[in-house]
Amino acid sequence: GAGVSQSPSNKVTEKGKDVELRCDPISGHTALYWYRQSLGQGLEFLIYFQGNSAPDKSGLPSDRFSAERTGGSVSTLTIQRTQQEDSAVYLCASSLSGGAPYEQYFGPGTRLTVT
Amino acid sequence: AQTVTQSQPEMSVQEAETVTLSCTYDTSESDYYLFWYKQPPSRQMILVIRQEAYKQQNATENRFSVNFQKAAKSFSLKISDSQLGDAAMYFCAYRIAQGGSEKLVFGKGTKLTVNP
Repeated sequence: GAGVSQSPSNKVTEKGKDVELRCDPISGHTALYWYRQSLGQGLEFLIYFQGNSAPDKSGLPSDRFSAERTGGSVSTLTIQRTQQEDSAVYLCASSLSGGAPYEQYFGPGTRLTVT
Repeated sequence: AQTVTQSQPEMSVQEAETVTLSCTYDTSESDYYLFWYKQPPSRQMILVIRQEAYKQQNATENRFSVNFQKAAKSFSLKISDSQLGDAAMYFCAYRIAQGGSEKLVFGKGTKLTVNP
C-alpha cells in the first residue's frame, strides 16, 4: 500500500515569508507525528496528533510554528515569518495506535531552505 | 529526561565484514521500546530493528541484530556481511509514552560508509 507522502519535496523561501508543509499519512493510521532534522543533528520532535484528542504541541520551538490535522488524516505544518534557523528537513510519520509494535512509518521529508 | 547517545559520528566497514554501532540511553522506566532506523541519502527513514525491553532475547532481522544490555542501558546494532546498500545514517531511538502522548527520542546518528 501507499506509504506516508509529503509535499513539497523541497521548498526555498525568503526570510519572513510563511510556508505550509503537507503530510498524508498511511490510510488507517490514527497517530501522526512531525519531526525536524537540522543539518548534522538527530530528529527533534515537534508535534503529535492522535485521533480526535488534543495534540501534543510541546515540541514546537516557537509560536511561529503551528500544525493542524483535518478529518483525522492530512496534516499541515505552518511556519510563519520564516527565519534562517528554520532551514531543516521536516519529517512526518504515522503509526497505528493501541499497542505494540509502535513502529512509526516516515515520509521522505520536506527540505526547507530559508534564504 | 530520557536521552539517547550515539558516540560514533562516523564508522566505516569493508564489504562483507561486520560492524557494530553503539547506542546508550538514559531512562528510569522498566518497560520501553528501542529502535534502530536507517536513513539513506533519499532521506526516507526505514525501520531496521526494534527491541522490547521486557524481552531478554536480543532482536534479530536477517543480517541485523542487537546487543541489548538493559542494566547497562546499551543497545548496539550489529550488521553482518555488510553490503554497499547498507551505507546510510543510522539512528537509535527510544519511545516515550506519557500523558496520552508519545514520541521517539533520537540520537544524533552514525554515518556508516561501506567500502568495496
